[in-house]
Amino acid sequence: NAGVTQTPKFQVLKTGQSMTLQCAQDMNHNSMYWYRQDPGMGLRLIYYSASEGTTDKGEVPNGYNVSRLNKREFSLRLESAAPSQTSVYFCASRTLQVAQETQYFGPGTRLLVL
Amino acid sequence: QKEVEQDPGPLSVPEGAIVSLNCTYSNSAFQYFMWYRQYSRKGPELLMYTYSSGNKEDGRFTAQVDKSSKYISLFIRDSQPSDSATYLCAMSEPSGTYKYIFGTGTRLKVLA
Repeated sequence: NAGVTQTPKFQVLKTGQSMTLQCAQDMNHNSMYWYRQDPGMGLRLIYYSASEGTTDKGEVPNGYNVSRLNKREFSLRLESAAPSQTSVYFCASRTLQVAQETQYFGPGTRLLVL
Repeated sequence: QKEVEQDPGPLSVPEGAIVSLNCTYSNSAFQYFMWYRQYSRKGPELLMYTYSSGNKEDGRFTAQVDKSSKYISLFIRDSQPSDSATYLCAMSEPSGTYKYIFGTGTRLKVLA
């Protein structure tokens, strides 16, 4: 049981390049999330998927797209990377167990855009 | 005004001290309250979870929720150097809204 896994761990991009961040969970959770974490800003929601087949924008969706490939996998795509997208990206999944509704996080992807 | 406010610290305490970490919030609809611990260069891990008001204790950790004051606290007793981390509070509305709001985190250092 690996929980939430993310790849890659670290990536350097040049401005304008594209890339996809991968996330997978093996806990049979319905909901999955992508956050970015910046100093002094906390965790900000980029996109989320309440269930397989649905996606919705969060607080900071501009410049990103997502795909909920199946129940396990939720990917985040940067079509044309900008320096402002330099951040640490976390994927999370959410359990719907009664009285234990919370999110579990992956280890993060550190992205540097030059 | 942010929906959730958290003092960023850093907070330095000697080993064995009682630590108090706090968050205030403005949205009275929040029902689920969580504390996450995040070690340097790692993902947040769930520490405590509370539904609605009241206290919850788990070993050296106690979480308190005061909905009338819109204030939540995390107490760490007999703090250890291994407790040195950033502590994030998080809140959400009742099930079905899916969105969680996080505090910016408080950095704690426990000195041996």
